[in-house]
Amino acid sequence: EAGVAQSPRYKIIEKRQSVAFWCNPISGHATLYWYQQILGQGPKLLIQFQNNGVVDDSQLPKDRFSAERLKGVDSTLKIQPAKLEDSAVYLCASSPRTDRDEQYFGPGTRLTVT
Amino acid sequence: KNQVEQSPQSLIILEGKNCTLQCNYTVSPFSNLRWYKQDTGRGPVSLTIMTFSENTKSNGRYTATLDADTKQSSLHITASQLSDSASYICVVRGNRDDKIIFGKGTRLHILP
Repeated sequence: EAGVAQSPRYKIIEKRQSVAFWCNPISGHATLYWYQQILGQGPKLLIQFQNNGVVDDSQLPKDRFSAERLKGVDSTLKIQPAKLEDSAVYLCASSPRTDRDEQYFGPGTRLTVT
Repeated sequence: KNQVEQSPQSLIILEGKNCTLQCNYTVSPFSNLRWYKQDTGRGPVSLTIMTFSENTKSNGRYTATLDADTKQSSLHITASQLSDSASYICVVRGNRDDKIIFGKGTRLHILP
């Protein structure tokens, strides 16, 4: 079974630029999560999708972050414009059905904002 | 406020030794608790999951314990190997709102 795929693996941008991350979850997984993990900390949930609907985006900085999951499969996370404090690893995870299932994480995208 | 606190923040031990990592939580009501292992540059991978009624769960050299009364969990690693060097994250899911709360993790270094 293929795992969660993310791209790019690394990205370096200047502040005020825009960036987009892509995630392909495990086939058939209904729930998809985007997390932000700052160095030395645990992941922080940014947004959770159930199929192509948003379940929880309470911690997403909506003035600069946006995410979509068209057709309930792949998802993109965008930051526009980026700030220095956005430097982090962005993790995508998926789970089969409900919130009570195990989350399977992708390798993450390491973003550095200079 | 629902919180998950882990200790120690970091730990260094010699290969072959045992160690125990701690997780205290305030999430209530509680659904389940997972321990994840996160290798450098990779996403977390689940090691164990325990529900309210379980007090121990093993996965090879990893043994997790849970005391739901005191809201404490531990992860014990036996006969450590160099490949155990990683961050270990405690994750608690609430029962009422299904919120997932991550601890900050314990960074474990195994020295040869």
